[in-house]
Amino acid sequence: QSVLTQPPSASGTPGQRVTISCSGSSSNIGRNYVFWFQQFPGTAPKLLTYRNDQRPSGVPDRFSASKSGTSASLAISGLRSEDEADYYCAAWDSSLNVRLFGGGTKLTVL
Amino acid sequence: EVQLVESGGGLVKPGGSLRLSCAASGFTFTSYTMNWVRQAPGKGLEWVSSISYNNRYIYYAAPVKGRFTVSRDNAENSLYLQMNSLRAEDTAVYYCAREDSLENFDYWGQGSLVTVSS
Repeated sequence: QSVLTQPPSASGTPGQRVTISCSGSSSNIGRNYVFWFQQFPGTAPKLLTYRNDQRPSGVPDRFSASKSGTSASLAISGLRSEDEADYYCAAWDSSLNVRLFGGGTKLTVL
Repeated sequence: EVQLVESGGGLVKPGGSLRLSCAASGFTFTSYTMNWVRQAPGKGLEWVSSISYNNRYIYYAAPVKGRFTVSRDNAENSLYLQMNSLRAEDTAVYYCAREDSLENFDYWGQGSLVTVSS
């Protein structure tokens, strides 16, 4: 069971805005940066956002992330069929000295 | 071009050992912390271990601590994961991932499958 809690699934129709949440604690999200990854079946994860709300070059601005207190969220606007994938949040835990991943959220585009 | 190529995976019996390798190229290996992340079949990502560029900081996830050992050979641009006392629950695809100065896991290998089964 992950210390970072994500909903197991999310869905939306093309063009919609979808939000995925990630809940942690004061020792991880509360004091460290949050990262989001996108993963398609059979492939390695890809960094989607870093340092809470920054996007690497090449990631569309339809993807945005934020953090507040001990929670974080990833928003995808203008949903497209190619966004159908698994999404993971991650953060360092300063008490455990480990990197934590959320359990992952499977996004379905209806 | 940054490349990370894992090797060494395979089928091993419970209690056995295996050594994974990750060959790095296309960047200055000695400047980066490196990580191992695994993913059991049909499951989510699980961080396994990290090692700083100078070997000064080494961390392990609780499930593998005392059984797995991470190391690196900066002269050979290689990362290793020695896995001992393997259990069925260690069955997973193991990825190596580069961590940049902003703590980003910005490049990942293609993964190496480890199957622990009798």
